[in-house]
Amino acid sequence: DMKVTQMPRYLIKRMGENVLLECGQDMSHETMYWYRQDPGLGLQLIYISYDVDSNSEGDIPKGYRVSRKKREHFSLILDSAKTNQTSVYFCASSQGNYAEQFFGPGTRLTVL
Amino acid sequence: GQGVEQPAKLMSVEGTFARVNCTYSTSGFNGLSWYQQREGQAPVFLSYVVLDGLKDSGHFSTFLSRSNGYSYLLLTELQIKDSASYLCAVRDSNNYAQGLTFGLGTRVSVFP
Repeated sequence: DMKVTQMPRYLIKRMGENVLLECGQDMSHETMYWYRQDPGLGLQLIYISYDVDSNSEGDIPKGYRVSRKKREHFSLILDSAKTNQTSVYFCASSQGNYAEQFFGPGTRLTVL
Repeated sequence: GQGVEQPAKLMSVEGTFARVNCTYSTSGFNGLSWYQQREGQAPVFLSYVVLDGLKDSGHFSTFLSRSNGYSYLLLTELQIKDSASYLCAVRDSNNYAQGLTFGLGTRVSVFP
């Protein structure tokens, strides 16, 4: 069953707290992504990972870091969350051709 | 620079068709993808085009003109459930590391 999962689905944090968003995929895809989606700004790439421990900044990496220690797992970490990081975060994966990406259901993060 | 532009909204009638336009500018073009995103859900891959012309996939067809930096997604025999946002995304061959750049999406509303 081809699937991308995200945990948690909803999260409320206070400003300054640390946040860990987890993503998993069962397709053995090499490439994984973290995006955030905001009204009026669309989907913006935060980080891309080409494989284990091979990560690259996307368009808006500031305030975020990532970890990929296994091919099937990709984590997004916010150290000291800020209110402007309130957003919906999507994880995605793809094999080879980046055109076809499989998205997880999203995590709605609210930072108060 | 690189940009992807789409109209914000489009309304149509059940049983007819809708054409979602997308214009883009890239320093090097390496394919264009279309995704469907229903309210509160994740984007779902629909189509990928890299050569000029019309690609017929039944309910969804896609057209590409590389010289004009233009694509459209044609939805035929519209159903109410086709109401969703449709995202256009391009890949820049001169910026391979960054994956896809998404437009803001066109919200298609299908009325009875």
